[in-house]
Amino acid sequence: ELQLLESGGGLVQPGGSLRLSCAASGLTFSSYAMSWVRQAPGKGLEWVSCISNRGDRTYYADSVKGRFTISRDNSKNTFFLQMNSLRAEDTAVYYCAKNPLPLIPAAPVYNWFDPWGQGTLVTVSS
Amino acid sequence: DIQMTQSPSSLSASVGDRVTITCRASQSIAKFLNWYQQKPGKAPRLLIYAASNLQSGVPSKFSGSGSGTDFTLTISSLQPEDFATYYCQQSYNTPPTFGQGTKVEIK
Repeated sequence: ELQLLESGGGLVQPGGSLRLSCAASGLTFSSYAMSWVRQAPGKGLEWVSCISNRGDRTYYADSVKGRFTISRDNSKNTFFLQMNSLRAEDTAVYYCAKNPLPLIPAAPVYNWFDPWGQGTLVTVSS
Repeated sequence: DIQMTQSPSSLSASVGDRVTITCRASQSIAKFLNWYQQKPGKAPRLLIYAASNLQSGVPSKFSGSGSGTDFTLTISSLQPEDFATYYCQQSYNTPPTFGQGTKVEIK
């Protein structure tokens, strides 16, 4: 069974850093792009970042560009989100999710998020 | 960025009702549109991809239609387990964007 399991969330002060991990099982991990999607308390879904199957292409939402870094270790079936310079507005449940393709080309493409991990809560507060 | 607008934002319905949720894109996105269901405290679940394709394991009471800028998600006969929030998402370009969600509540 395909499964994603996030870890690394917690309470951090504004300006601090946190590293999230997502461990995958039940799939050929190195064949797929992977993404992070977040949800602020009581709010909707916001895509954060995506990494190609080989890790050579990364994509970021403007709201996190320059502060967050996505990476992956295919030998460990795990990918990561390094979050620096955290702000109160980064407070959210962070979900990892699998994409159906190895990367996201510039052209329109059938791309979705499935499955999702259970989520990990990041709280940025003093 | 492409803006996705869902209507209504919430609705009340009874068990057995037919429910339709609409999603409108700020520009044409062909059929690059997906639908998700999210229950409280749980991760979203993919229901429909590419506007009208039912994800494996999803009951056939769910259906999607539309192309261009206007899309619909229909639940043919609402059951207690269907009370949740539903989101649309476009993959026409990056960044992928979601609608604000439609909360389906019990009448």
